[in-house]
Amino acid sequence: GAGVSQSPSNKVTEKGKDVELRCDPISGHTALYWYRQSLGQGLEFLIYFQGNSAPDKSGLPSDRFSAERTGGSVSTLTIQRTQQEDSAVYLCASSLVPYTGELFFGEGSRLTVL
Amino acid sequence: TQLLEQSPQFLSIQEGENLTVYCNSSSVFSSLQWYRQEPGEGPVLLVTVVTGGEVKKLKRLTFQFGDARKDSSLHITAAQTGDTGLYLCAGISGYSTLTFGKGTMLLVSP
Repeated sequence: GAGVSQSPSNKVTEKGKDVELRCDPISGHTALYWYRQSLGQGLEFLIYFQGNSAPDKSGLPSDRFSAERTGGSVSTLTIQRTQQEDSAVYLCASSLVPYTGELFFGEGSRLTVL
Repeated sequence: TQLLEQSPQFLSIQEGENLTVYCNSSSVFSSLQWYRQEPGEGPVLLVTVVTGGEVKKLKRLTFQFGDARKDSSLHITAAQTGDTGLYLCAGISGYSTLTFGKGTMLLVSP
């Protein structure tokens, strides 16, 4: 596709369930980022993938959060045993140039944990 | 941890007014980006400023990077309803991921 694609766009789940969020970056973009956006909190960095290098996981808030990127393209963010405080919009972005390049964002996945 | 503080957090103005929003930090950044985010969408890059003291203009938007590369401002002349959105600044320092501010929510009413 022409842009970053994220799915699902909306997810409502019950506390304690696991969820998977998917991101399909722009073709050819080697850098991929996950951010979390809560109301009034700006963008919180979660994890960064660059090519075949080990991901930068420094932003993951707990061990319930994990992410993988298969074949250098599609990425999945998994949240295990969801909590109400996990409710937020999860944004994925990709970049052609790592660190300094323009980030192209998807529309986000809105997660609501009841 | 490098922090970017944006002010004001929220701004509500009438169409035709001018406004300035600020992005401040105690840290030095090699470059700084401004993004605009509209409801239900992801942020979109407006500009990247690299050199201390740099001024960039994008139609009615003027971006300035502070001389010490610790702060930046965005000035909008004659705001339009289409300028409504969340304005985010993001600092870049070396080989690390972008640091985003919390944003300024701008509402322009007709």
